[in-house]
Amino acid sequence: AQKVTQAQTEISVVEKEDVTLDCVYETRDTTYYLFWYKQPPSGELVFLIRRNSFDEQNEISGRYSWNFQKSTSSFNFTITASQVVDSAVYFCALSEYSDYKLSFGAGTTVTVRA
Amino acid sequence: EPEVTQTPSHQVTQMGQEVILRCVPISNHLYFYWYRQILGQKVEFLVSFYNNEISEKSEIFDDQFSVERPDGSNFTLKIRSTKLEDSAMYFCASRDRVNSGELFFGEGSRLTVL
Repeated sequence: AQKVTQAQTEISVVEKEDVTLDCVYETRDTTYYLFWYKQPPSGELVFLIRRNSFDEQNEISGRYSWNFQKSTSSFNFTITASQVVDSAVYFCALSEYSDYKLSFGAGTTVTVRA
Repeated sequence: EPEVTQTPSHQVTQMGQEVILRCVPISNHLYFYWYRQILGQKVEFLVSFYNNEISEKSEIFDDQFSVERPDGSNFTLKIRSTKLEDSAMYFCASRDRVNSGELFFGEGSRLTVL
């Protein structure tokens, strides 16, 4: 069975602070996908990143960066120099390599205060 | 940019009524999904659909639920006799091919059962 744990329920920061969201996963599959999605107050799910299990290279996209460590089954997400528009719920998710049946974590609510 | 569209954005219905939620996936996509998010909770997989049949379904997707692709463009989720606990945001998603491609989510349809 697959399981995604986002231990942080809520994080509140002041604008320009960095914030790191933790994601730990469990799976018996040797190949799988990991995802991060953003859900702003308007409710839609915004795709941020998909990572293959065999690609452990960390990735940076603007103010966003991801640290994938297979040895610890973690796929953490950092927002650098946070902005008020980053306020949202962030979900980590996991799927089998052959199927996009995503298992989502419970989400972390990020509040960025001006 | 191509997008998945869902209608209605919000539907209020009485318990026991039938509801149909509609989705128009991205035109060249082959794999279709419905996910559900009860307010304040995580996103949960309901069903996947490929080649005009259900590929996989979750425990949530009981006999009250059905999906179909009636005309080659729409992808619908029907709830035959709604219950209070069916109140949730329902997300449609699609992708283009196996082992590749981003999973695109629609903006969701909020269902409120009274």
